Amino acid sequence: GAVVSQHPSRVICKSGTSVKIECRSLDFQATTMFWYRQFPKQSLMLMATSNEGSKATYEQGVEKDKFLINHASLTLSTLTVTSAHPEDSSFYICSASSLLAGGATDTQYFGPGTRLTVL
Amino acid sequence: DAKTTQPTSMDCAEGRAANLPCNHSTISGNEYVYWYRQIHSQGPQYIIHGLKNNETNEMASLIITEDRKSSTLILPHATLRDTAVYYCIVSYNQGGKLIFGQGTELSVKP
Repeated sequence: GAVVSQHPSRVICKSGTSVKIECRSLDFQATTMFWYRQFPKQSLMLMATSNEGSKATYEQGVEKDKFLINHASLTLSTLTVTSAHPEDSSFYICSASSLLAGGATDTQYFGPGTRLTVL
Repeated sequence: DAKTTQPTSMDCAEGRAANLPCNHSTISGNEYVYWYRQIHSQGPQYIIHGLKNNETNEMASLIITEDRKSSTLILPHATLRDTAVYYCIVSYNQGGKLIFGQGTELSVKP
């Protein structure tokens, strides 16, 4: 299957600082990337969908000014958590998919996740 | 909200087949059934997906009922490394979002 990487795998930061997480599709062009977060013992929750070259679409309740998403190329999307606070501590996971002929979207492949701890 | 219902947990003996059920009674005609699994502290891993025909790959088989209201994921010879949370998700394959439910926690025991 297709490979998606994330960097960093874990990050610890102080309250009030900003943290950037990178998501890369290594062996395919990702027209669409998705960002999820997962709190302990809970399921994944979709935060936003981003298409290359356009603004991200955020799910209800997700603050777009706090979670900045950039999808500037077909292999890279970034999530920046601005002014992070302890309640933002979570496991952040990206996924990527590509367009197939005829407009259908291929399977989503997930990155390994980034563990964010805000002190 | 997730459109699927799965048992919270299941056990399976190592070497035996693991059959994981999923109900999706409100699935629409052009929604696919996807299965992913998540091993602790890792990103979800794609397993298999299908529309209406049964599907098989190197990891598993997917059996979808004729009315498409339920499906079963079959791991033919479960190993300890198959211990994970298994998610059944219905989604369009046109830029479709994956909405994760709580999944089934499968424990494979020696």
